Amino acid sequence: KNQVEQSPQSLIILEGKNCTLQCNYTVSPFSNLRWYKQDTGRGPVSLTIMTFSENTKSNGRYTATLDADTKQSSLHITASQLSDSASYICVVTHQGGSYIPTFGRGTSLIVHP
Amino acid sequence: EPEVTQTPSHQVTQMGQEVILRCVPISNHLYFYWYRQILGQKVEFLVSFYNNEISEKSEIFDDQFSVERPDGSNFTLKIRSTKLEDSAMYFCASRETDAGGSPLHFGNGTRLTVT
Repeated sequence: KNQVEQSPQSLIILEGKNCTLQCNYTVSPFSNLRWYKQDTGRGPVSLTIMTFSENTKSNGRYTATLDADTKQSSLHITASQLSDSASYICVVTHQGGSYIPTFGRGTSLIVHP
Repeated sequence: EPEVTQTPSHQVTQMGQEVILRCVPISNHLYFYWYRQILGQKVEFLVSFYNNEISEKSEIFDDQFSVERPDGSNFTLKIRSTKLEDSAMYFCASRETDAGGSPLHFGNGTRLTVT
């Protein structure tokens, strides 16, 4: 069964600090992995996409990594800001068929001043 | 930047009543989706829609649910007889193609409260 597990479930950090969120998946065959940011009461917004051949990709202060062998991804946030407070969702798509992605439960990040 | 719009933002209804949630996908997108998110839980797939028919649906999407694209712009989700457990955020999403790399663009959701 295709599954996506994220850790930690929640995280509290001080403004300016860095943090790393983890995602493990069992989706196979793998097509891509995408990190979404979901602000409270809003729909998820795509931050970055990782395909099989990519190890690292950056989008501003967000850096995603992918290890396709171990089926793990991480999202690193540098110099956190109050606006980074949100849920970060790992979403993995398998190849073939309908491309319906599998969602993780998300990591709730709170950045305190 | 074009976006997916959903109305209403909040809907309160009594158990057993019918509700229709409305969505306007991004205009050049061809694939449409409904997801729901129960408070504190993960986003769950309900149904995908392409070329005026359902492409795939989850086990959540039972006979009480239906979708329709009544005109060239709207995409609706109908729940015929709401239950308490239907209370959730319902997100509409669209994507330009069905390719794995094509991102889902989500609306800001409709919060459905069934009393």
